[in-house]
Amino acid sequence: DADVTQTPRNRITKTGKRIMLECSQTKGHDRMYWYRQDPGLGLRLIYYSFDVKDINKGEISDGYSVSRQAQAKFSLSLESAIPNQTALYFCATSDPGQGRGYTFGSGTRLTVV
Amino acid sequence: AQSVAQPEDQVNVAEGNPLTVKCTYSVSGNPYLFWYVQYPNRGLQFLLKYITGDNLVKGSYGFEAEFNKSQTSFHLKKPSALVSDSALYFCAVRPLKAAGNKLTFGGGTRVLVKP
Repeated sequence: DADVTQTPRNRITKTGKRIMLECSQTKGHDRMYWYRQDPGLGLRLIYYSFDVKDINKGEISDGYSVSRQAQAKFSLSLESAIPNQTALYFCATSDPGQGRGYTFGSGTRLTVV
Repeated sequence: AQSVAQPEDQVNVAEGNPLTVKCTYSVSGNPYLFWYVQYPNRGLQFLLKYITGDNLVKGSYGFEAEFNKSQTSFHLKKPSALVSDSALYFCAVRPLKAAGNKLTFGGGTRVLVKP
């Protein structure tokens, strides 16, 4: 089983709809992140959480919200999806030590029509 | 604020030739640098990192990277490229002493290795 699992893998939704992307991990890491990837822009941080009670906005949090239901689960919601939120979304985890940086999920490809 | 620049959107190289993917960074204090690779329909995979010590860092799949503090660069290299190295490569940085682990990524460089 993957260390970081994202569901769904692909999703097409209509403008104005609410959608949730889910992430679960078996790494035992406290720190979890949501990034979006756009061609030429690399990965940009949406939200991050250092533990269940610590949630922080990243550089592009407008239009998104998150929920840290447990140490292992971190969900990203689009309350009212818009077409420019079409992107590839990645969840990642890390430990606070000098490790490998992040462990990434396989991504969710979201298309808003 | 920290930043990463990958000046080439795409690098084309013939199989067996040397491969270089460029990265420059800006960060307060000493950097903690990473290279990740992304294959189609996959998440990013760790290749190598630089913290301190030897400026030449060796990583997975025969890749290495050279840290140059004066040029604030961390270029990724492979002496002999394989077709299977074709992928999207990301450089990332954070301050060595930082409150959290938040990495800043470059825009990515697509590598195409031709047979």
